[in-house]
Amino acid sequence: GDSVTQTKGPVTLSEGTSLTVNCSYETKQYPTLFWYVQYPGEGPQLLFKVPKANEKGSNRGFEATYDKGTTSFHLQKASVQESDSAVYYCVLGQGKLIFGQGTKLSIKP
Amino acid sequence: DPKIIQKPKYLVAVTGSEKILICEQYLGHNAMYWYRQSAKKPLEFMFSYSYQKLMDNQTASSRFQPQSSKKNHLDLQITALKPDDSATYFCASSQPGQGDERLFFGHGTKLSVL
Repeated sequence: GDSVTQTKGPVTLSEGTSLTVNCSYETKQYPTLFWYVQYPGEGPQLLFKVPKANEKGSNRGFEATYDKGTTSFHLQKASVQESDSAVYYCVLGQGKLIFGQGTKLSIKP
Repeated sequence: DPKIIQKPKYLVAVTGSEKILICEQYLGHNAMYWYRQSAKKPLEFMFSYSYQKLMDNQTASSRFQPQSSKKNHLDLQITALKPDDSATYFCASSQPGQGDERLFFGHGTKLSVL
């Protein structure tokens, strides 16, 4: 069946450093890919959708490019801020979403 | 204001009892969902409804029964509760076919079964 595998957390970074969260997927269908973010006490919310192969999705300084060859769509940010502390999920699907296990990100000021 | 309301926020139940988790959405969406998040597993899809009709069910146990009394309601009844049912249950909604495939999630109901 469909699946996604992402960087295991937790990840702790200093403010201003760069972030990469790896994610790969498996599906027999054309993939619909997203990154969601979850803050404490809240449900997940969409960070952005990753569009077609070799195109970049982005929001709030986060970006990801869907690489069809490696079936991956890694999340990146050049300079993280303390407010980025949250759990990040790579997600596959429409309606019935397949979530990765989540990567908890903590940013030290 | 939250557009998806889940009640209660916290719920404690004894093994063998029955509980109903409430979900109402005020986004005008036609599709609603239930997901579960436990300590041991990532967020898991449980059910999807479209226009109050069940579209997909990935829950093996019949103890979990969604109930849609109104277009913007999708409650979740859980019977014969077990400690393994302890999790946070998220309701979500979307508007398929409008070019925006995102799901909007509520804040969840955290269920603890003793």
